[in-house]
Amino acid sequence: DSGVTQTPKHLITATGQRVTLRCSPRSGDLSVYWYQQSLDQGLQFLIQYYNGEERAKGNILERFSAQQFPDLHSELNLSSLELGDSALYFCASSVLANYGYTFGSGTRLTVV
Amino acid sequence: GQQLNQSPQSMFIQEGEDVSMNCTSSSIFNTWLWYKQDPGEGPVLLIALYKAGELTSNGRLTAQFGITRKDSFLNISASIPSDVGIYFCAGPNFGNEKLTFGTGTRLTIIP
Repeated sequence: DSGVTQTPKHLITATGQRVTLRCSPRSGDLSVYWYQQSLDQGLQFLIQYYNGEERAKGNILERFSAQQFPDLHSELNLSSLELGDSALYFCASSVLANYGYTFGSGTRLTVV
Repeated sequence: GQQLNQSPQSMFIQEGEDVSMNCTSSSIFNTWLWYKQDPGEGPVLLIALYKAGELTSNGRLTAQFGITRKDSFLNISASIPSDVGIYFCAGPNFGNEKLTFGTGTRLTIIP
């Protein structure tokens, strides 16, 4: 157990639907990062939050949004889902980037 | 922005062989991190390097922080089946708030 908790572990949904992925960071970590990993691809950075505020944005589609709550857990909302959104979605947390991120075990999203 | 290129992109080796991979950047990094991702799991930090020229080991893994600060190397000795996975290098941006990840090296062990 890395200390970063992601739920659900698997999600199967239909095109056009909306889903919410949840992440609880490791205790003491203020930064949360979301990544998308499609089959056999690298880690695509989506968005970063620090202590409730958006800090950096990557290649995140307008159909996707995220937030970090006062208790520091974060949610990634994916709407108007398309087949191409099928991927592993990872959450990571950190104190400082140069100490490294701690990743969760991911949510595998399948859009059918 | 900062980019990290890893080579090789993939490796097919036999059990017991030694493995070498590297990560290069067009800009300087003050920290180099190496991660391993098992199939279907999240990446796990293997080794962190904080000083140019530093050589650090973790079991059969050895990583080096390049002298130019623009590259890093990871070696795995006497590979075993559980070494299979994707290896990522990473380095922090100038504000030390976000990591840039490399493109990954996928290691496969041939029976």
